[in-house]
Amino acid sequence: QVQLVQSGAEVKKPGASVKVSCKASGYTFTSYGISWVRQAPGQGLEWMGWISAYNGNTNYAQKLQGRVTMTTDTSTSTAYMELRSLRSDDTAVYYCARGPLGGDHDYWGQGTLVTVSS
Amino acid sequence: DIQMTQSPSSLSASVGDRVTITCQASQDISNYLNWYQQKPGKAPKLLIYDASNLETGVPSRFSGSGSGTDFTFTISSLQPEDIATYYCQQYDNLPRTFGQGTKVEIK
Repeated sequence: QVQLVQSGAEVKKPGASVKVSCKASGYTFTSYGISWVRQAPGQGLEWMGWISAYNGNTNYAQKLQGRVTMTTDTSTSTAYMELRSLRSDDTAVYYCARGPLGGDHDYWGQGTLVTVSS
Repeated sequence: DIQMTQSPSSLSASVGDRVTITCQASQDISNYLNWYQQKPGKAPKLLIYDASNLETGVPSRFSGSGSGTDFTFTISSLQPEDIATYYCQQYDNLPRTFGQGTKVEIK
């Protein structure tokens, strides 16, 4: 069965970086893209960007341009999202989700809580 | 960015009631709309894709309709396990944007 398993919770100081992983199983990794979506405490969903697991093409939300990098490692079927220069308003649960750039997200990871606090 | 406006932001209904949520896009998005269900502490779950197609395994009491700028999501007979927040999401333009969510509770 399809599974996306994310790395564990992180606590970071303002200005630091965080890298969240998303390990895929149960399907051909390079046949789908991965989106990253975050959710601040008590808030709605925010799309952060997408990466093709086939060729590594990326598309990032403009508000995160310059701070976010999404990558994949096809040898381990793992997607990564790195966010730099962390601020307190980056505190959120970060989700990876399988899907094309133009379409639905049919499988989601369990979420990774990133807390940014001094 | 395309703004997605959901209404209501919350609702309370009785078991067995018909529940309707609307989602309005700030510009024409054809049928490029998904609906997700999110239960507390859980990841979102895809219910409806392409505005009106039921995802495999999702109960038939859930349905979606609409195109252009106006969309509707319906639960034909509310069940206790449907307590959740529901989000619409457009994928016509970048960035992909979500509605603010509709929290559904049991009366």
